[in-house]
Amino acid sequence: DQQVKQNSPSLSVQEGRISILNCDYTNSMFDYFLWYKKYPAEGPTFLISISSIKDKNEDGRFTVFLNKSAKHLSLHIVPSQPGDSAVYFCAASEKAAGNKLTFGGGTRVLVKP
Amino acid sequence: EPEVTQTPSHQVTQMGQEVILRCVPISNHLYFYWYRQILGQKVEFLVSFYNNEISEKSEIFDDQFSVERPDGSNFTLKIRSTKLEDSAMYFCASRLDNNAPDTQYFGPGTRLTVL
Repeated sequence: DQQVKQNSPSLSVQEGRISILNCDYTNSMFDYFLWYKKYPAEGPTFLISISSIKDKNEDGRFTVFLNKSAKHLSLHIVPSQPGDSAVYFCAASEKAAGNKLTFGGGTRVLVKP
Repeated sequence: EPEVTQTPSHQVTQMGQEVILRCVPISNHLYFYWYRQILGQKVEFLVSFYNNEISEKSEIFDDQFSVERPDGSNFTLKIRSTKLEDSAMYFCASRLDNNAPDTQYFGPGTRLTVL
């Protein structure tokens, strides 16, 4: 099941620069998209979300962009900090399907000091 | 800040044994979920629960699995006869309501090891 896909398994970025994480999806019925951050041996921590009726949502250093025609979303982190080093998952849900989350495979981000 | 809690953090069991994984969702949340992540794989949905019944379940959630909300605070996942392939991190999540898309908040997980 590849309904949500993160094509970059890893990303390395210098502290202070921008991190851009990408996510593609195939199910056009998804109506809500989320980004989670995960450290080893911990649960996913919610970062930011976007409804399908919007194309951008911003919260501090985190901005999520949604391009519905391309079925693509991205997460921008600026400026990147060493504490941002973690695995980032995008997830999507559909209200008609009970809002269960379908996750991408994750992107491991390393922010170098 | 309210959070989802899970116990135990690590459970080791013998194949064929029953295990119960426990979760305390955020207190005013109405929707509850179990997910699992096998090592090196995606986080995958198991089951959702609302109003004291299962609202949706995945193909993984077969007759060996059951969920229960035995009281006003706990939400449990039972695996009746564990198999080696049940070894995974199990995450509980909860969500406030269904009137609008809403965020699911996850617990720290239980690592289940089946020997």
